[in-house]
Amino acid sequence: DQQVKQNSPSLSVQEGRISILNCDYTNSMFDYFLWYKKYPAEGPTFLISISSIKDKNEDGRFTVFLNKSAKHLSLHIVPSQPGDSAVYFCAASDAGNQFYFGTGTSLTVIP
Amino acid sequence: EAQVTQNPRYLITVTGKKLTVTCSQNMNHEYMSWYRQDPGLGLRQIYYSMNVEVTDKGDVPEGYKVSRKEKRNFPLILESPSPNQTSLYFCASSSPSPVGYEQYFGPGTRLTVT
Repeated sequence: DQQVKQNSPSLSVQEGRISILNCDYTNSMFDYFLWYKKYPAEGPTFLISISSIKDKNEDGRFTVFLNKSAKHLSLHIVPSQPGDSAVYFCAASDAGNQFYFGTGTSLTVIP
Repeated sequence: EAQVTQNPRYLITVTGKKLTVTCSQNMNHEYMSWYRQDPGLGLRQIYYSMNVEVTDKGDVPEGYKVSRKEKRNFPLILESPSPNQTSLYFCASSSPSPVGYEQYFGPGTRLTVT
């Protein structure tokens, strides 16, 4: 039973525009959320995280928004660049012990 | 260079032949974990370890064993591999940060069980 869901398997955006990747979760006990980026033949790399006491966290071009009442988080990339083309995974954790990942969204940024 | 290493990177084996995938990190991290990635299922946690001699089951532990005798190493053991364990495996490690646990992943081990 998937506790973290990414319902869009793929997304294409034009270079310079905003990319919005979405993630939903079911477990209200999750208190920490992360986004990872994965290139082919490499392991995932950490991108940005947010704890449940916040509703927004920014790091350069990347912003994560958390809506606890809707059990929804999103990753905004502005402006999108061709090098952002990768698979993005969201993940959630309860107290940093177990981690639950979504199925991933493949982002393609078109030059 | 701070890194998580896994060996081997690729492995083809036969059903029932015991194998071990090694994982090592040089960042003095307390937390280590194993995941498998399958199409349509994302990454699923197999086992994790909060510190030396402390291990616990993740979401999909059946058919796997782990040990944590040293802080830097966290091997994954398949005592009797079966074809449904054909997958891409990732090891990860982390330490608590002010925000939480940001895991560093190894490059992956692609395992095929025939």
